[in-house]
Amino acid sequence: DQQVKQNSPSLSVQEGRISILNCDYTNSMFDYFLWYKKYPAEGPTFLISISSIKDKNEDGRFTVFLNKSAKHLSLHIVPSQPGDSAVYFCAASEGNDMRFGAGTRLTVKP
Amino acid sequence: DSGVTQTPKHLITATGQRVTLRCSPRSGDLSVYWYQQSLDQGLQFLIQYYNGEERAKGNILERFSAQQFPDLHSELNLSSLELGDSALYFCASSVQEFGMSGYTFGSGTRLTVV
Repeated sequence: DQQVKQNSPSLSVQEGRISILNCDYTNSMFDYFLWYKKYPAEGPTFLISISSIKDKNEDGRFTVFLNKSAKHLSLHIVPSQPGDSAVYFCAASEGNDMRFGAGTRLTVKP
Repeated sequence: DSGVTQTPKHLITATGQRVTLRCSPRSGDLSVYWYQQSLDQGLQFLIQYYNGEERAKGNILERFSAQQFPDLHSELNLSSLELGDSALYFCASSVQEFGMSGYTFGSGTRLTVV
């Protein structure tokens, strides 16, 4: 039962360019969406979130977009930096039920 | 250091055995969540406790159980272990019962069942 899907297991971009990570969900009851970043040998760390009543949230180089009609979430990183290389998980929650995608491994090349 | 402490970091055990994973939440956090990450899988929600009480259950097997103690630390017990139980087990904590501001994760326990 994969209610949250990240269809791209990996993404490679050049330093300075935009990274776009995508996420799709099936449960229209989700009311909060989050992105986490995970480095090797560490737990995921919270990056940015968005409520279902908004369509965009920005925090520095990171912007999350929500398209509720398409049940689609995306994370934009501009400009991308080598230190952004990590696995990115999207998550969606309904109350205290939070579901995660399988993750996308982002590699930013110098 | 996220403030969420998980022990042990690595665990190797044989099939049929029982293990206990421990988690100390970040100071002040009342909610503890357990997640399992198998190879190429996302984080699968297992169970949540809030201030000592079970609040939500996910895809947790009957062979698995958990509890949260009065000092708010939590333990995840895995019994009759099978090869397929090999995974990374993460604990996370949050202040609120509903972690809308995001969870703080520990660095995980890597369980290998041989």
